[in-house]
Amino acid sequence: GNSVTQMEGPVTLSEEAFLTINCTYTATGYPSLFWYVQYPGEGLQLLLKATKADDKGSNKGFEATYRKETTSFHLEKGSVQVSDSAVYFCALSPNNNAGNMLTFGGGTRLMVKP
Amino acid sequence: SQTIHQWPATLVQPVGSPLSLECTVEGTSNPNLYWYRQAAGRGLQLLFYSVGIGQISSEVPQNLSASRPQDRQFILSSKKLLLSDSGFYLCAWSRESNQPQHFGDGTRLSIL
Repeated sequence: GNSVTQMEGPVTLSEEAFLTINCTYTATGYPSLFWYVQYPGEGLQLLLKATKADDKGSNKGFEATYRKETTSFHLEKGSVQVSDSAVYFCALSPNNNAGNMLTFGGGTRLMVKP
Repeated sequence: SQTIHQWPATLVQPVGSPLSLECTVEGTSNPNLYWYRQAAGRGLQLLFYSVGIGQISSEVPQNLSASRPQDRQFILSSKKLLLSDSGFYLCAWSRESNQPQHFGDGTRLSIL
């Protein structure tokens, strides 16, 4: 079956540090890949997505590149802010017609210190 | 634009009591609808999904049930809550296959 593996948190960084949150996946075919962000006490928000190999998703300074050869979709940001403190979820969606079933990773908590 | 509403935002219930959480979507028709549970400090678990009125698929056998009485309404229910039902419940919708899911703000359920 499909699965998503994320690095365990929490990840603690100082403001303006470089961020990488690793995500690797197992899936048949060519899934779409997503990063979601969950701020404290809120639901999940779509942060960025990529639908095919070598696509780069980007939003709010965050980037992730769909690497089929390494089955990875690592999230990066060049300079984090305190407001980026949240839980980040990597997810995949298989490209089939059986509904849109997301498989989530376990989430990685990011804490940014001023 | 599309919006998704969940209520209540917070709920405290005694063990053995019934449950009804409601989720509605506006601004779209025939969405796929989903219920997830997030236990404290853990990832998301898909509970139910629906691709149309009256069509419910259960991912995990449990004490909960779901119904979709209208196109844009998705209800999560239980006849008798257990302590293990505590958690953060999230409703989501998507337009169709391969489209991202959009989440509500969640309901925090505490069972006493």
